[in-house]
Amino acid sequence: GAVVSQHPSRVICKSGTSVKIECRSLDFQATTMFWYRQFPKQSLMLMATSNEGSKATYEQGVEKDKFLINHASLTLSTLTVTSAHPEDSSFYICSARPGGRVNEQYFGPGTRLTVT
Amino acid sequence: RKEVEQDPGPFNVPEGATVAFNCTYSNSASQSFFWYRQDCRKEPKLLMSVYSSGNEDGRFTAQLNRASQYISLLIRDSKLSDSATYLCVVNRPGSSYKLIFGSGTRLLVRP
Repeated sequence: GAVVSQHPSRVICKSGTSVKIECRSLDFQATTMFWYRQFPKQSLMLMATSNEGSKATYEQGVEKDKFLINHASLTLSTLTVTSAHPEDSSFYICSARPGGRVNEQYFGPGTRLTVT
Repeated sequence: RKEVEQDPGPFNVPEGATVAFNCTYSNSASQSFFWYRQDCRKEPKLLMSVYSSGNEDGRFTAQLNRASQYISLLIRDSKLSDSATYLCVVNRPGSSYKLIFGSGTRLLVRP
């Protein structure tokens, strides 16, 4: 149990285009999902927290208009990188927290974004 | 100062060796502590939670020293499959479920 999927696993796009990444909890309902970004040889950095049915909360320094998050259901959150630039190239990972289970968090397999 | 600090390594050890990783965290109000394992180009996976009294899971032992704000992970009888990056993770104070990740310690176990 507790499986989280992400789609796509890898995407290459041109500068200026937008990319949507999906995060799904496959066998549980996730009231909260998190989006992280990881640059090579660096730590995972939390970008935003997504709660079902409400607006996402963004970490300091993360542009909410550039990284659009939608958490429309208890099993799906999406991250859209708008007007992507080469510096947005990174490994984007989501995680999901089952409702009522504070200390549990399950990670998706990640999406590797390359902007050319 | 980083919120969670780890020695990046790499630690290069032979199979069967015992290896220990350390981690310090800056905010004394953190309440939850974890070790995650991350393989190259993969997502992190929970290795174990860390409890105040210390805890063991097979070959892995975790210790927490709240006074020194220090967490450790001991791996006994290293296997080739233990080669990975080990991430020290603490919760953000005021939010029990927001996690702060260290940059990881890389372990290479050689035959």
